[in-house]
Amino acid sequence: EVQLVESGGGLVQPGGSLRLSCAASGFAFSTYWMHWVRQAPGKGLVWVSRINSDGSSTTYTDSVKGRFTISRDNAKNTLYLQMNSLRAEDTAVYYCTVGLGDYWGQGTLVTVSS
Amino acid sequence: DVVMTQSPLSLPVTLGQPASISCRSSQSLVYSDGNTYLNWFQQRPGQSPRRLIYKVSNRDSGVPDRFSGSGSGTDFTLKISRVEAEDVGVYYCMQGTHWPWTFGQGTKVEIK
Repeated sequence: EVQLVESGGGLVQPGGSLRLSCAASGFAFSTYWMHWVRQAPGKGLVWVSRINSDGSSTTYTDSVKGRFTISRDNAKNTLYLQMNSLRAEDTAVYYCTVGLGDYWGQGTLVTVSS
Repeated sequence: DVVMTQSPLSLPVTLGQPASISCRSSQSLVYSDGNTYLNWFQQRPGQSPRRLIYKVSNRDSGVPDRFSGSGSGTDFTLKISRVEAEDVGVYYCMQGTHWPWTFGQGTKVEIK
């Protein structure tokens, strides 16, 4: 059974940092592209970032470029999102997803507020 | 970015009746490999999104056959042949042809 379990969310002040993790199991993690998608409270889905199977290629949506870094550890079957210089508009549930949205985690809530 | 426009945004449906959601893209979703990367997702209240349909018309494993997808180019449709209570939620179309991948605004399906 495919499982994606996100962690690392919480309350952080504007300008602060958080690192999200996504532990994957039940599939060949090292062979799949992985993604982060976020959903602000009561709003729709927004693709944030993606990383290829070996971590050599990453892409970001414009609003997070230069502030967020996606990475992965294939030995640990874990995906990461390092989020720096956080803003109020980054407040959202962050989901990790595999492939073309084949499977999703339960999400982790990031709240940026003073 | 490719803009995905769904209609309607709210869809009250009687149990057992059909429902249809339209999704239009601002650019063709045909990729250079010939595939059209248009997916449909369901998000039930309080849950994560779940993919129902991939590449326009392919149902994911475990998805009831009352769900079907169709379309081409820039115009796509998700149909539910007979709505059941468990179908309540928000439905999103999503294009995976052009980066950044983008979603429609979502269509809220509720029971009348």
